[in-house]
Amino acid sequence: AQKITQTQPGMFVQEKEAVTLDCTYDTSDPSYGLFWYKQPSSGEMIFLIYQGSYDQQNATEGRYSLNFQKARKSANLVISASQLGDSAMYFCAMSQTGGANSKLTFGKGITLSVRP
Amino acid sequence: GAVVSQHPSWVICKSGTSVKIECRSLDFQATTMFWYRQFPKQSLMLMATSNEGSKATYEQGVEKDKFLINHASLTLSTLTVTSAHPEDSSFYICSARNRPGQGFYGYTFGSGTRLTVV
Repeated sequence: AQKITQTQPGMFVQEKEAVTLDCTYDTSDPSYGLFWYKQPSSGEMIFLIYQGSYDQQNATEGRYSLNFQKARKSANLVISASQLGDSAMYFCAMSQTGGANSKLTFGKGITLSVRP
Repeated sequence: GAVVSQHPSWVICKSGTSVKIECRSLDFQATTMFWYRQFPKQSLMLMATSNEGSKATYEQGVEKDKFLINHASLTLSTLTVTSAHPEDSSFYICSARNRPGQGFYGYTFGSGTRLTVV
C-alpha cells in the first residue's frame, strides 16, 4: 500500500522568501511518481511539479523545485520568492507509473499563508 | 493541454433528491476517471475508479448504490448522488489520467462541484 505523510499543519512565510513544504512517502513499488498540487480556495487542483522514482535529477518548474531524497523517501516542495498568490492548500501525492488505472494517493495537505 | 470539464460547479438540492455531476474530457480520451470527495480543510478521498464500458470500482466504505457512476464513453463520466442527505454535502472532484504517449501518466482534474443538501 502507498502512503503519503504531510505533518506540517500550517505554514507561514513572508512575501519574497523561500519556503519548504515537507512530504514523506512509503511504497514497496520500485516505480512510482510523486506529484505536488496547489488548491486555492476556489477548489481547483493545480498541478505544480512531478518527480519520477527513476529520475536522477530533482525536478524544477519555475519557482517550484522538488527536493527528492529517495533513500529517505522524502519529496519536499520548495517554493522560492513566495508571492501572495501562493497562499493555498498544497497536496503531495503519489501514483504507480505504468498502469492506466493507477490512482493518486494524497497526503492530508498543508495550508500555506504568505504574509505581505 | 488536457482539459476536464466538470459541471455543475455548485448545486443546492433538497434532501431526498438525486444530483448528477458530469465530467467530460475535452481534448483527450479518458479511459479511466477517478472520483474524489473532499470535506473542508481535508484531503481528497478517492471514492471510485470508473473505466469506460465497465462497472466502476468503489473504495472500501463507499456505498455503490448511493453514488452511481457511469462511464459510457471515452469522454464522459457521471456521478449521481442518489437520495441525497445533508451529510452528503461536500466537494466532489473528478480526475482523468492521460493516455500513454503523453509523457508521464499525468492526471487532469475537473474544477470540482460543491454540493449542498438542505
